[in-house]
Amino acid sequence: DIQMTQSPSTLSASVGDRVTITCRASQSISNWLAWYQQKPGKAPKLLIYKASSLENGVPSRFSGSVSGTEFTLTISSLQPDDFATYYCQQEYAFGQGTKLEIK
Amino acid sequence: QVQLQESGPGLVKPSETLSLSCSVSDDSFSYNYWSWIRQPPGKGLEWIAYISYNGITKYNPSLKSRVTMSVDTSKSQFSLKLSSVTAADTAVYYCARTIVGLTLNRAEYYYMADWGKGTTVTVSS
Repeated sequence: DIQMTQSPSTLSASVGDRVTITCRASQSISNWLAWYQQKPGKAPKLLIYKASSLENGVPSRFSGSVSGTEFTLTISSLQPDDFATYYCQQEYAFGQGTKLEIK
Repeated sequence: QVQLQESGPGLVKPSETLSLSCSVSDDSFSYNYWSWIRQPPGKGLEWIAYISYNGITKYNPSLKSRVTMSVDTSKSQFSLKLSSVTAADTAVYYCARTIVGLTLNRAEYYYMADWGKGTTVTVSS
């Protein structure tokens, strides 16, 4: 039974900050993890797939990496449009989400 | 970019079957996979199932006993049926184009590349 543990659940940051969100898999299936961004009342949007591949049209300030079973989403310099909730996903399991708030 | 549109009743009675459809806008229906994902009010995302254009299915183990997906290629539509619903099935239901593949060591991966806007389903008497 795959479980994705995402942290932190809430993150307060300012425009221009560098932020990191982590997702840990309960078992090592593969490096095929996806990251999504969701804004209130909207459908999620794919940002990254295969742990570090940027979806077409996604700004380069978003990046992903993996080390063992720990996956990381990094936003290098936060922009006002980036304040949203972020989810990781591997197979049928989503992380519980990280709400990125303005400090 | 493919367009997806969910449709179906917004209100379902407890113990009944929830039925939703998703219409896909363009020629991308064939040779693709299609998923349903849901999100209860104020909570996170839950992947429900996927189906391929030719009927291959995969279900979330936690919902497998209650879920059926089907596909109608002539209409570029796919459908979800969730039986014996309770209030816990109240959610926004999304359909999505899904990328499915195999890793080098034959493990399956999938992720959702394009999403519909979602439809709200409430389970209540």
